[in-house]
Amino acid sequence: KAGVTQTPRYLIKTRGQQVTLSCSPISGHRSVSWYQQTPGQGLQFLFEYFSETQRNKGNFPGRFSGRQFSNSRSEMNVSTLELGDSALYLCASSLVGARGYTFGSGTRLTVV
Amino acid sequence: GEDVEQSLFLSVREGDSSVINCTYTDSSSTYLYWYKQEPGAGLQLLTYIFSNMDMKQDQRLTVLLNKKDKHLSLRIADTQTGDSAIYFCAERATGTASKLTFGTGTRLQVTL
Repeated sequence: KAGVTQTPRYLIKTRGQQVTLSCSPISGHRSVSWYQQTPGQGLQFLFEYFSETQRNKGNFPGRFSGRQFSNSRSEMNVSTLELGDSALYLCASSLVGARGYTFGSGTRLTVV
Repeated sequence: GEDVEQSLFLSVREGDSSVINCTYTDSSSTYLYWYKQEPGAGLQLLTYIFSNMDMKQDQRLTVLLNKKDKHLSLRIADTQTGDSAIYFCAERATGTASKLTFGTGTRLQVTL
């Protein structure tokens, strides 16, 4: 059974650009969550999508957005990139009502 | 609000038991989790415990929950070098859907 797939694994972008990250959940999982991991702030919740609707949102500026498609795949977008957006972005998927969340390997974004 | 705290570092000798501690503040937490992160990798779910339980055992892992003191611990029996990683405690509070609040992580170093 395939796990959670995040693409790309690594990205280097320039300040001011925008970026789109992709997450394919485990087959059958309809909930997808995104987290940002940095050395200074640790793991922080960005947002969660279920059935193409954003169910929950963390405390991030509007430059961070996401969406979910009918096949449960999700994308997150960061516009007007800042140096502080450099981080490991992790996606997690779960079954409805499930206890555990399976994480992908992450996308490491570097903003220069 | 939710807050989860962990000590930053633990060093144990191979074959000994490791005990990683975590405290949380949200009394409405429903599930508490332990995740493992190896260098360059995503988060691997190790185990979770429902808030009305006080202990859960899974092979070499034992989770103890003291709900009164809001204290969670993870014991790893017969610690091996392959257990060297960062261990994160996380809580999911009632009504927050899939949002997990993570601790800062404890780096476990296993020495020979």
